[in-house]
Amino acid sequence: EVQLVESGGGLIQPGGSLRLSCAASGFTVSSNYMSWVRQAPGKGLEWVSVIYNGGDTYYADSVKGRFTISRDNSKNTLYLQMNSLRAEDTAVYYCARDYPRFDYWGQGTLVTVSS
Amino acid sequence: QLVLTQSPSASASLGASVKLTCTLSSGHSSYAIAWHQQQPEKGPRYLMKVNSDGSHNKGDGIPDRFSGSSSGAERYLTISSLQSEDEADYYCQTWGTGIRVFGGGTKLTVL
Repeated sequence: EVQLVESGGGLIQPGGSLRLSCAASGFTVSSNYMSWVRQAPGKGLEWVSVIYNGGDTYYADSVKGRFTISRDNSKNTLYLQMNSLRAEDTAVYYCARDYPRFDYWGQGTLVTVSS
Repeated sequence: QLVLTQSPSASASLGASVKLTCTLSSGHSSYAIAWHQQQPEKGPRYLMKVNSDGSHNKGDGIPDRFSGSSSGAERYLTISSLQSEDEADYYCQTWGTGIRVFGGGTKLTVL
């Protein structure tokens, strides 16, 4: 059974950093494309970043230069390092297997950027 | 520019059918899309992929009441025999090299 479990969210001050994790089971992260998607309160879904199985990475313009996607093959885990956080980054962050349609989703982790 | 357009809202009666539309931007009418459902206070769930020829591939456990189709640049999600639990937000999604795009979502109300 495929499962994705995010963690690492919380309350952080503007300008701060946070690292999100997404632990996968039932498939191999490094053999798949994997994405992060976020949803601000009361808003729609917004794609954030993707890492390809070959290691190439891509980002939405809104996070380019501030966020970094990566993975640990030994832990079968996906990460999102978020730096220089802004109030507008406040959202529930989901990881998803990217097939390239998002065929499996995690339950999400809430990131709140506020002083 | 790759853009998906959805109507913000739709409604239909319990037991009836509804057809939601997702429109691809000019020059992208051959793209496949995916439909996702998000019930209130829950995370998204993958429903199906819809190809430009109208064929579709559903996710695990998706009921037969859900089906997909295509016409030109439009991709459709049809839900028949509407149930109360179908009241949700529905998002279409597509992709290109290094880019993923969501439509704005359609809020479906079951009357």
